[in-house]
Formats: sequence, structure tokens, C-alpha cells
Amino acid sequence: AQSVAQPEDQVKVAEGNPLTVKCTYSVSGNPYLFWYVQYPNRGLQFLLKYITGDNLVKGSYGFEAEFNKSQTSFHLKKPSALVSDSALYFCAVRDWPYNTDKLIFGTGTRLQVFP
Amino acid sequence: DTGVSQNPRHKITKRGQNVTFRCDPISEHNRLYWYRQTLGQGPEFLTYFQNEAQLEKSRLLSDRFSAERPKGSFSTLEIQRTEQGDSAMYLCASTSPSSGSQETQYFGPGTRLLVL
Repeated sequence: AQSVAQPEDQVKVAEGNPLTVKCTYSVSGNPYLFWYVQYPNRGLQFLLKYITGDNLVKGSYGFEAEFNKSQTSFHLKKPSALVSDSALYFCAVRDWPYNTDKLIFGTGTRLQVFP
Repeated sequence: DTGVSQNPRHKITKRGQNVTFRCDPISEHNRLYWYRQTLGQGPEFLTYFQNEAQLEKSRLLSDRFSAERPKGSFSTLEIQRTEQGDSAMYLCASTSPSSGSQETQYFGPGTRLLVL
């Protein structure tokens, strides 16, 4: 069965420092991976996705993610964190078979960026 | 704003009552999904539609839950005889598959349900 794991419940980083939010996956077949962000009392907002191609995926708001097949990871990164990046981040994988399109989410990582 | 909309945003009800939520997807998106998110967890898939056809339902969707998308546009999710365990955020998402089915799901703001 498809699954993703987010090993850190919380990540704290100082504003201006680089940030990394970790995600590992377990899939049958080629992985379709996604990152979403959720602000308080809001729905999920799409950041980026990996389907195929370049292992470094660039997304919204300066975020990027690196797909690493050997380590089965898809970590979210940003070179310089902003206080406004503080939110809940979810990694997700598309379920198999792909015709269903449904997403399987991790448990989320709360990012706190302090001034 | 032409994003996914959901109503109501918040609902408080007493145990045993019925509730209904509405989702309006992005215009012309033919696939619509419902997810449930409880505190401290990621969203969990409930069901999805392609046009008006309900193609898949999760085991999470008990007999008390029913979803419809009568004209292939908006969708409703009804919970009958609500229980305290139904308290959660109910999220709707939509997408428009083309060849390859690699499309992104766009989520609405959610409906937060509290069952007293």
C-alpha cells in the first residue's frame, strides 16, 4: 500500500535560515508526490508536486523539494524562511492504481519560524 | 475568486441530528473529492465523483454518510444521526484530469463540524 511518513511533528527555524521538512514514502510503482500547506482554520494549499523528470521541483512561495529515489524521500526545502511560512505542512502520495487519483497524506509537520 | 468553496464553514450540532455540507468545485472540474481531517492527523479520503458518478467510497464512510453530485457540479455530504466521533474538518477538493491523470487536487477551506 502507498504511504508517506513525516518523521517530525514540529520543526523550528529562525527567520532567514534555511528550512527542511522531511517526508519519506513507500509506493508500488512510480511515486506521484505532493506537498501542501495548511494555515489555521483554512483548507490545504498546493505547493508543488513530483511526477517525473528533474529531481529538484520548484513550487510556490520559494519552496522546492528534492526527490531522492534511493532514499525514498521527498523533503521540502526553502533557502530562507519567513515568519509567514509558519504553518502545518503535509506530504502526500497518490494512491495506486492511479486511476483513482485519491491522495494519501502524512500526519503533518508544524513549522514554526521565529523572528 | 474561482476556487473551491464550501458551506457552511462551521457547524455545531447535537448528537443524533443530521447535517449536510455543500461543496462547489472549480468551474469545469469534473472530479470532486471529499476528505476528513481530525485533529493532529492528515486528511483521509472519503469518496470521489467523476461528473455525477460516485466512483469510490472509503471504508471510513459508514452507512450514516451519503454523498451526492446530482448534476456533476456541486456536491453534498450528509451525515445522519451524528456521533461525537464525527467531529472533524470535512474538506472538498476538485481536479480536472487530462491524459496521464497527474493533476493537482485543489482544496476548499473546509467545513468544521462539532458534535456535542
